[in-house]
Amino acid sequence: QVQLVESGGGVVQPGRSLRLSCAASGFTFSSYAMHWVRQAPGKGLEWVAVIAYDGSNKFYADSVRGRFTISRDNSKKTLYIQMNSLRVEDTAFYYCARDGTLRGLKADYWGQGTLATVSS
Amino acid sequence: QSVLTQPPSASGTPGQRVTISCSGSSSNIGSNSVSWYQQVPGTAPKLLIYNNNQRPSGVPDRFSGSKSGTSASLAISGLQSEDEAHYYCAAWDDSLNGVFGGGTKLTVL
Repeated sequence: QVQLVESGGGVVQPGRSLRLSCAASGFTFSSYAMHWVRQAPGKGLEWVAVIAYDGSNKFYADSVRGRFTISRDNSKKTLYIQMNSLRVEDTAFYYCARDGTLRGLKADYWGQGTLATVSS
Repeated sequence: QSVLTQPPSASGTPGQRVTISCSGSSSNIGSNSVSWYQQVPGTAPKLLIYNNNQRPSGVPDRFSGSKSGTSASLAISGLQSEDEAHYYCAAWDDSLNGVFGGGTKLTVL
């Protein structure tokens, strides 16, 4: 069965960095685009970034462009997001999700999320 | 402020039909397909509708989607208590980013 398991969340000070991972299993990881979507506690969903199945294309939300970097290692079936220059407003649950298309937001499987808290 | 506009709340009694609207623009809903997600508090979102009106396997046919111009709608017929959740519309935007609605909290009275 399809599984996505996020890890790497925690508490970090403003201005510092954090890298989140998403381990995939149960499907051909290298055939799917992958998203990161976040949700601040008690708030709605916010799209963060997407990467093509082969890593050739990446798109970012304006709120994170230049600070966050999405990447993947298909040999390890793992998705990453490197988050630099973190701000208090980046505090959220971060979900990874798979998508059959790069430009569609048709994410059919999601992980359970990992919480990143930015606080001094 | 979300790019896609949804009503913050909706409600209905068991067995009723409820619709949730989602308004966008020519750069997102107007030129790309719409998806809908259901999220029960404390759990991950679940894909309900994709390509405006397609249901993934396992989603009951009580859920249906439609799109017209720059707006879309999710309809839930035969409302059940288990449908109580938050619902989000989503679409790709031609400015090369994904966009979500602010979410609608559905209460089953």
